[in-house]
Amino acid sequence: DAGITQSPRYKITETGRQVTLMCHQTWSHSYMFWYRQDLGHGLRLIYYSAAADITDKGEVPDGYVVSRSKTENFPLTLESATRSQTSVYFCASSDGQGRNQPQHFGDGTRLSIL
Amino acid sequence: GESVGLHLPTLSVQEGDNSIINCAYSNSASDYFIWYKQESGKGPQFIIDIRSNMDKRQGQRVTVLLNKTVKHLSLQIAATQPGDSAVYFCAENIPGFQKLVFGTGTRLLVSP
Repeated sequence: DAGITQSPRYKITETGRQVTLMCHQTWSHSYMFWYRQDLGHGLRLIYYSAAADITDKGEVPDGYVVSRSKTENFPLTLESATRSQTSVYFCASSDGQGRNQPQHFGDGTRLSIL
Repeated sequence: GESVGLHLPTLSVQEGDNSIINCAYSNSASDYFIWYKQESGKGPQFIIDIRSNMDKRQGQRVTVLLNKTVKHLSLQIAATQPGDSAVYFCAENIPGFQKLVFGTGTRLLVSP
């Protein structure tokens, strides 16, 4: 039971670079989510997806792009990285959009932007 | 490594004690609640959930209590073990909102 995996686990890049964080789940969950976790803010939703080819903005979407061509994958791209995007990024999936279904999380990508 | 929250409230207990972690949620219309555990360097791990039509739910060594009158959720951990040391946070689902709302968490430290 592989669950949900994120890659890379750690990434260091420079401002202005494009970087893509990968997320893969083996449960065939319809919903997938991207969060960032920063000191003092808890988990903040960046983008989510209800199904393949359906995505929507969360609380902090600026500077990020997502796609979902396949149910199992939900990559997050920072088109031109900024230092404020240094954070820990978590991907999650669930069978429902919080409709009495828990979200299950990967172990995160720790992204540092210099 | 990163820290989830250097300034989180902290609960320190001895091994074998019972622990109670509290959460005040924000919206009286919230209909579903989840407790998560997050260990250092890992993602949040689902512990237990409860629907708003219930006031108590039990799992293995854990119990969640829901008091809708005062918008309060608690997680009770029986016979706390060193492996329970982590950050615990609650999440609520607000109908009509497109997301779960997460609390910032409480750090539980268990001493042998």
